[in-house]
Amino acid sequence: LAKTTQPISMDSYEGQEVNITCSHNNIATNDYITWYQQFPSQGPRFIIQGYKTKVTNEVASLFIPADRKSSTLSLPRVSLSDTAVYYCLVGDYTGANNLFFGTGTRLTVIP
Amino acid sequence: DVKVTQSSRYLVKRTGEKVFLECVQDMDHENMFWYRQDPGLGLRLIYFSYDVKMKEKGDIPEGYSVSREKKERFSLILESASTNQTSMYLCASTQGGQGLHEQYFGPGTRLTVT
Repeated sequence: LAKTTQPISMDSYEGQEVNITCSHNNIATNDYITWYQQFPSQGPRFIIQGYKTKVTNEVASLFIPADRKSSTLSLPRVSLSDTAVYYCLVGDYTGANNLFFGTGTRLTVIP
Repeated sequence: DVKVTQSSRYLVKRTGEKVFLECVQDMDHENMFWYRQDPGLGLRLIYFSYDVKMKEKGDIPEGYSVSREKKERFSLILESASTNQTSMYLCASTQGGQGLHEQYFGPGTRLTVT
């Protein structure tokens, strides 16, 4: 079963690139990797998803090495509004025991 | 826009009361989820439903039950509320099919059991 591990917190200055890594040593062949962002008093919101290699969209990039045992969310040039908790989710929808959210990484962007 | 709504943003109940948390989605999604969120523990899955009347236990189902009589509605039931069920409860939905499709979350219900 693919459990996930993330750093509890990170600080970054505005304008810097931020990389948040999620470890998932027991990831299964059918598992995908998805990242969510959560602001206070709101539900999580989808950021990006990948299976292997690199995925990029308008807000982030996701890097997945060949062994898929970890993944890195990259946020380019962060701003104060990127201060949030970021969650890594690994699994698929074949069953409830195949979905694992990490404990989240609290990113604080400093002016 | 996909919309997932939850019946209450804040709820205060007494120990031993039966509590119903309602979730409705408007995108004809097959899958629906109930999570609870506690500081330092992240999101933990309580129950998952992949079709009407179908459900699977998640990581922490003890003390909870669910009901899905219609595709758009997924209810979480606390049969006899206890203080350790004070938490933020989040509902989510997603389309069915292979893969890990985007989950759409509701705003959450903050439940306090006194």
